[in-house]
Amino acid sequence: GAVVSQHPSRVICKSGTSVKIECRSLDFQATTMFWYRQFPKQSLMLMATSNEGSKATYEQGVEKDKFLINHASLTLSTLTVTSAHPEDSSFYICSAISGRVYEQYFGPGTRLTVT
Amino acid sequence: AQSVTQPDIHITVSEGASLELRCNYSYGATPYLFWYVQSPGQGLQLLLKYFSGDTLVQGIKGFEAEFKRSQSSFNLRKPSVHWSDAAEYFCAVGAYTGTASKLTFGTGTRLQVTL
Repeated sequence: GAVVSQHPSRVICKSGTSVKIECRSLDFQATTMFWYRQFPKQSLMLMATSNEGSKATYEQGVEKDKFLINHASLTLSTLTVTSAHPEDSSFYICSAISGRVYEQYFGPGTRLTVT
Repeated sequence: AQSVTQPDIHITVSEGASLELRCNYSYGATPYLFWYVQSPGQGLQLLLKYFSGDTLVQGIKGFEAEFKRSQSSFNLRKPSVHWSDAAEYFCAVGAYTGTASKLTFGTGTRLQVTL
């Protein structure tokens, strides 16, 4: 149980365009989802915390107008990278909480490449 | 604020040899500790977790970890490594902020297994 999916797994977009990444909890209701960013051979950095039906809470240094997060239902959160630039190229991973608030379940990640 | 240190960036062991990956944390209260494994281009898989109780915790794939409060450590061990264990390992500490839990990750240890 506690499966989290992400779509797409890989995406290539041109500089200046926007791209949306979906994170779904498949077999549980996730009141809170998290979005992380991981640069090559580095650790995960928390970008934002997303609660269903409310605005996301962004970590310091993360541009909320650039990384739009929507958590419209208990099973879906989306991250939209607006006006993407090559420096936004990264591996984006989401996670979700089910029940016990300290245990996060992670999605498989989305590789974004901006050309 | 909480922090996690993984002093070993890269470790190489022979298949069949024992393994210990080090993790030290800093947190003002009782920590919630996790070990995750990440294969290349993949999301994170939870190996084991410590919330309370027995300080020696067993996880999946034959891994175990021991919580030592006096040393602020949560080292991961495996008695006999398999070639399929080659991956990136992340230690994380969880903190409850009042609205949601947050995970702070260490920088990771890359495990290479030689045959």
